[in-house]
Amino acid sequence: KAGVTQTPRYLIKTRGQQVTLSCSPISGHRSVSWYQQTPGQGLQFLFEYFSETQRNKGNFPGRFSGRQFSNSRSEMNVSTLELGDSALYLCASSSLTGGNEQFFGPGTRLTVL
Amino acid sequence: QKEVEQDPGPLSVPEGAIVSLNCTYSNSAFQYFMWYRQYSRKGPELLMYTYSSGNKEDGRFTAQVDKSSKYISLFIRDSQPSDSATYLCAMNSGGSNYKLTFGKGTLLTVNP
Repeated sequence: KAGVTQTPRYLIKTRGQQVTLSCSPISGHRSVSWYQQTPGQGLQFLFEYFSETQRNKGNFPGRFSGRQFSNSRSEMNVSTLELGDSALYLCASSSLTGGNEQFFGPGTRLTVL
Repeated sequence: QKEVEQDPGPLSVPEGAIVSLNCTYSNSAFQYFMWYRQYSRKGPELLMYTYSSGNKEDGRFTAQVDKSSKYISLFIRDSQPSDSATYLCAMNSGGSNYKLTFGKGTLLTVNP
């Protein structure tokens, strides 16, 4: 079974721009979660989607948003980028029938200049 | 007080040593406990997944959960240089809450 895939793997943007990251979950997994990983704060939860609905949300500003499509693929968007948004953005998928074990993709490394 | 505390290390051991990694937590609602391994520039890889208190063994890895003390551990027996990575504990309360709360991670180096 293919794992979680994320595109692109690397991105460089400038302050004020917006960015869209994509995640394809493991086949059959319907829950997709997004996390931000930085050296200072570690891994922090952004939001979780199931059946195209956001079920859980972390403590991030409204500049961070996401959506999920009917095929369970998900995107997250960050608008008006700030230097502090530079991070590794990780997507994790979960099968609801297998408990809430979450399997992570390789991440998208975003650098904001 | 952070919800999950984890000693960041770094921890350096010789090959073959037994490694003990630990996390403490403050939220008594946590019921599911996970350990992830993350190699440099890679995504976290799920190593162990346990529910409530008790022990779980998988090969060279043993996970222990003591809910009364709010303390979880991961033991690695016969450590190998390929075990060199950052180890992250994670936990959540279950149900429809899929938010994982992570420790900061412990950087482990196993020296040949």
